[in-house]
Amino acid sequence: ETGVTQTPRHLVMGMTNKKSLKCEQHLGHNAMYWYKQSAKKPLELMFVYSLEERVENNSVPSRFSPECPNSSHLFLHLHTLQPEDSALYLCASSQDRVGGTTDTQYFGPGTRLTVL
Amino acid sequence: AQKVTQAQTEISVVEKEDVTLDCVYETRDTTYYLFWYKQPPSGELVFLIRRNSFDEQNEISGRYSWNFQKSTSSFNFTITASQVVDSAVYFCALSEPRGYGGATNKLIFGTGTLLAVQP
Repeated sequence: ETGVTQTPRHLVMGMTNKKSLKCEQHLGHNAMYWYKQSAKKPLELMFVYSLEERVENNSVPSRFSPECPNSSHLFLHLHTLQPEDSALYLCASSQDRVGGTTDTQYFGPGTRLTVL
Repeated sequence: AQKVTQAQTEISVVEKEDVTLDCVYETRDTTYYLFWYKQPPSGELVFLIRRNSFDEQNEISGRYSWNFQKSTSSFNFTITASQVVDSAVYFCALSEPRGYGGATNKLIFGTGTLLAVQP
């Protein structure tokens, strides 16, 4: 595998289900991101992990719970979601350089989530 | 405040036409980075280019070229001799200042321009 991979690519779940999205980066990066992309809205940054520590949580509802067990893997645990949470969830990674430049974020293919 | 504006919501061209996608940004930083990404129907954001604020040289990569003008805060993207495979949503993005809110490498995205290239 190369780049950033995400599984599953498509997910349909009911409002009472619990599911998890998985992201894996094969680029040797130390920072990972979750974004939400809804129809007709700009990309929304949800969470940022740098060196496996969460450094950003953009007022995301608690029904979304991220987990970063190591620098290569990132999960998004979902429970009791609402229909308005239906969207494309994108994972990205980059190399975080302290005091240095803003490095490029590389994105995975996304998980298309539908909440019924 | 940091902001990226892509005023063109949708553009439709016929194959082999040249097309320019506009991007205007606002920032109070003197050091910043600008990016372009392509999102084809498959969904993945594909990185196209990264440019820092000190490098105003225009760049050409095959049929793609970028025109960075700090005087007008613009970073426009031109596709020459467009092809059907160029059909996608294109996003321009600006780096947020480092140290803002404690996070690094944060990007501010524009709303995207949907480019449709007709055969």
